[in-house]
Parts: sequence; C-alpha cells; structure tokens
Amino acid sequence: EVQLVESGGVVVQPGGSVRLSCAASGFTFGEYTMHWVRQAPGKGLEWVSLITWDGSNTYYADSVKGRFTISRDDSKNSLYLQMSSLRTEDTALYYCAKDMSAGLGMDVWGQGTPVTVSS
Amino acid sequence: QSVLTQPPSASGTPGQRVAISCSGSSSNIGTDAVKWYQQLPGTAPKLLIYGDNQRPSGVPDRFSGSKSGTSASLAISGLHSEDEADYYCAAWDDNLKGWVFGGGTKLTVL
Repeated sequence: EVQLVESGGVVVQPGGSVRLSCAASGFTFGEYTMHWVRQAPGKGLEWVSLITWDGSNTYYADSVKGRFTISRDDSKNSLYLQMSSLRTEDTALYYCAKDMSAGLGMDVWGQGTPVTVSS
Repeated sequence: QSVLTQPPSASGTPGQRVAISCSGSSSNIGTDAVKWYQQLPGTAPKLLIYGDNQRPSGVPDRFSGSKSGTSASLAISGLHSEDEADYYCAAWDDNLKGWVFGGGTKLTVL
C-alpha cells in the first residue's frame, strides 16, 4: 500500500524551529518529486515547497522562502521540512504529498502533522 | 488573496449537475495543466483531476474537468450527498516559480 506518514508536529514559540518528517512506503521514493502543503485552521490549501526526484532542485512559496528548507534522504525513504524563524501565521496542518510525475499533480497525501506557533 | 480565483461556495440537489470555476492568468492556468482536489471534512485532499481533464484511476466519470485560456472548470454530474466537500484547483505558476492553489469552493448538497 502506498503510504505517507508525517511526524514532528509540535507547539513552538514564535522565532523557534521545528523539523517535520515524512516516511514513505509502498513506492520507489527516489523516483518522485515530493511536496509539502499546509492548511491553516479553517483555511484553504497553501503549497509550501517541493524537491525534485533527484534532489537537484527545490522551490519554495514566497511566504516561507529563507526560513524553511526541504530535503530528502532516499536511503531512508524520507522527506523533511526544516522550519525556522517561525511565525504565528505558520500555524497549520502540514501535509507531505507525492507528485505523480513531472508536475502532473499530487496523487498521494499523508494525514498531516500539526504545527502550532504560539507564545 | 489566492492567485487562482474560485467561488467560495456552490450548491446543488442530488442528481443535479454543478460546475465550479477557477480563474487564473497566463503564468499559471494559461501555461500549465490544471489539477483539481477534493477534500472531504476532516480528511486529506484527494486528486480528482489532472492534466486539465484526466481522472486518476478510481475517480468516477461523474467528475470532469475543462479549460479554456486562463480559466478552468470542474463539473460534477449526478450529484451525490457524499460529494459534499471542499474543492480546490491548482497549477504551477511560472512567474512565482511555485505551485498555486485556488481559495477553495465549499460544495453543499441540499
């Protein structure tokens, strides 16, 4: 079964840092572009970042550029999101998602991990 | 303010056909294939349409997508109560160098 499981969500103070993880199974992880997408409470979806299948390219939403870093470890079938200089507006449920192929769409999603930024 | 514009709400009765619009620009919908996602209450999003009008395996043919210029549309025919969900359009934006989502449309089945 193709599956993504996120972890690492916490309550953190503004200015703090958090590292999210996403464990993949059921597919050849190293062949696919991966994304992070977030959803603030009661709000819509916001794309956060992507990393290409070979790790050679990364892209970020303007709202997180310079503060968040996406990475992957294909030997561990894992995706990561290092989040720093956190702001209250970063409070959201963070999903990792697998891209079908060449930007066709995110066809597999995890259940999400919550990050709350509050003092 | 989302880069892709969707109506905040839509509604229909069982059996009806409803359409949800998504308006963008030449840097996103105008150049990239549109995707549509369905998010049932309390669950993760699900890919409904990719490549403007392609359905992943398992998605009923009641769901269809279309695109013209910088606008796209998701149509749901033969509405079911279980179609009540939030629907989002998405595309790659070549100016922003990132993906953009619409603000989402809450579909109510009356």
